Amino acid sequence: AQSVTQLGSHVSVSEGALVLLRCNYSSSVPPYLFWYVQYPNQGLQLLLKYTSAATLVKGINGFEAEFKKSETSFHLTKPSAHMSDAAEYFCAVSVRDNFNKFYFGSGTKLNVKP
Amino acid sequence: ETGVTQSPTHLIKTRGQQVTLRCSSQSGHNTVSWYQQALGQGPQFIFQYYREEENGRGNFPPRFSGLQFPNYSSELNVNALELDDSALYLCASWIWGQPAPYGYTFGSGTRLTVV
Repeated sequence: AQSVTQLGSHVSVSEGALVLLRCNYSSSVPPYLFWYVQYPNQGLQLLLKYTSAATLVKGINGFEAEFKKSETSFHLTKPSAHMSDAAEYFCAVSVRDNFNKFYFGSGTKLNVKP
Repeated sequence: ETGVTQSPTHLIKTRGQQVTLRCSSQSGHNTVSWYQQALGQGPQFIFQYYREEENGRGNFPPRFSGLQFPNYSSELNVNALELDDSALYLCASWIWGQPAPYGYTFGSGTRLTVV
């Protein structure tokens, strides 16, 4: 079975500080992993995805994530937060089969303080 | 190349009514999946359609049903609306057999409010 746990429903950082959003997954088979961002009243925007080509994945807007199989983690980081990063972030896992069903975490709301 | 479009963007319905939400798939995508995102939660898989047949379903009751048309557009129908059906409904289109990281595209969603 597949599942995703996002630690911390709310994270607050100062502008310019490191952003770290935590995601742990459970999957019975090698997974695909994703991070999405959602701004208020909008849909999902893909930030980055892990396909096993490289354990360190770089995405848009300066975000990156590292796949750690031993820790079953896929944490999202950004060296320096901008005010525009304030949004909700979702980690998701997809099974490597024809059905491509996504399992999402419950989300982490990022607040960026001036 | 067009993306995935959903309509309407917002709507308000009364408890007990029926609603139809629409999704226009990205060009060439023959599979569509629907998700429900309740307030404060991550999206949850409702069902998916391939070749106009439902071939996967999440933990949702039968009053959630769908259709997929030959032009790959699709509908999500919800009967006997309940207050808890208030949510953002997302559709995603993709090509059957193609791994999720390569082309799985979400629409912007329809915000349904049940009063």
